[in-house]
Amino acid sequence: GGIITQTPKFLIGQEGQKLTLKCQQNFNHDTMYWYRQDSGKGLRLIYYSITENDLQKGDLSEGYDASREKKSSFSLTVTSAQKNEMAVFLCASSISTQDTQYFGPGTRLLVL
Amino acid sequence: QQQVRQSPQSLTVWEGETAILNCSYEDSTFDYFPWYWQFPRESPALLIAIRPVSNKKEDGRFTIFFNKREKKLSLHITDSQPGDSATYFCAASASSGSWQLIFGSGTQLTVMP
Repeated sequence: GGIITQTPKFLIGQEGQKLTLKCQQNFNHDTMYWYRQDSGKGLRLIYYSITENDLQKGDLSEGYDASREKKSSFSLTVTSAQKNEMAVFLCASSISTQDTQYFGPGTRLLVL
Repeated sequence: QQQVRQSPQSLTVWEGETAILNCSYEDSTFDYFPWYWQFPRESPALLIAIRPVSNKKEDGRFTIFFNKREKKLSLHITDSQPGDSATYFCAASASSGSWQLIFGSGTQLTVMP
């Protein structure tokens, strides 16, 4: 078994602020993902990484940057927070893109 | 463009009834269909998945029925329990080309005791 840790759990930011979310996994999985979940909607892929130092854009990458510093960690940066933005950012990992994805507990973002 | 659609948006059934959740897709190259469930204030987790070598996948009270010709699938939950109350997401991906897992918007299931 393993676990995915996301920090912080809650993030309150100001409009225009640069905000960074962090994710750590101890599954020893190669592939990691960042999804955004808005209330009443499904999950939308922001970025993913198939190995250390790799980065691939998802459908929702505009307005975000990501960094895969090492195999176990994957960071997401909101480059300029939008006023009244409210969403949950979910990190996930899997052995490969064809395997089951395991999700972290999420970071809840609110922009004032 | 919504590539994976789910219906109904919300569903309420009584304990013991069968709940039927529907999913349809557009991309004929999709060949992997996992269902994830998400309980309130928790993260999604894989419930059951099907690859279209078969038209049916069963796991206990949960069964996926798959219709490749109509690009439709459904999740049947028999003998529904209050503990099954959750949001259910249908997802799809293709093993060739863009592998990206595309999620539907979910069906919120409530099972009344």
